[in-house]
Amino acid sequence: DAGITQSPRHKVTETGTPVTLRCHQTENHRYMYWYRQDPGHGLRLIHYSYGVKDTDKGEVSDGYSVSRSKTEDFLLTLESATSSQTSVYFCAIDSGGFGGYTFGSGTRLTVV
Amino acid sequence: KQEVTQIPAALSVPEGENLVLNCSFTDSAIYNLQWFRQDPGKGLTSLLLIQSSQREQTSGRLNASLDKSSGRSTLYIAASQPGDSATYLCAVRRGSGGGADGLTFGKGTHLIIQP
Repeated sequence: DAGITQSPRHKVTETGTPVTLRCHQTENHRYMYWYRQDPGHGLRLIHYSYGVKDTDKGEVSDGYSVSRSKTEDFLLTLESATSSQTSVYFCAIDSGGFGGYTFGSGTRLTVV
Repeated sequence: KQEVTQIPAALSVPEGENLVLNCSFTDSAIYNLQWFRQDPGKGLTSLLLIQSSQREQTSGRLNASLDKSSGRSTLYIAASQPGDSATYLCAVRRGSGGGADGLTFGKGTHLIIQP
């Protein structure tokens, strides 16, 4: 999607290993979000950031950490991946109340 | 806590029909409502954004309405085409800020348009 990219697009990792997903924006927006999407649960907020070094927890934050050292980059880390973290992860940027959210293309993560 | 429900969960119709997707939310104190489309294996694409002060928004064959007081929104698709096949998601925003004021999503309506 224009202005926001996620990497990698696909990843397979083993249980217990650390994994970092990257979200990069070119829009200079203050708010960035990480969601996970699972069948039967829809989209659930993991963490969000409201500025450099400013982050907060969402609905399903256990087992995840985030960092934002630059406005354009928001990293999601699974410290020790578990099979329950197999999911599709989406990053989003917030253009504000009148612009709405823009989502990245997603990262499909499989923990084996 | 805001809850968003989309009905039906799945819908299959012949090409050319006009159809309506429904979204309801429990807390009417919303800032805006956004409809998204998601194709299989892809990200979410924003279709329409309706501010709480608006009644409807239109884009091409799509029309979204909002009745905030009753906690309802509808997405109307005119003259449906096979290319409209996708999952449609409704999301409401609580406030103008981000974070906790951000989006709450429904689980979506999976739409199939039969050629």
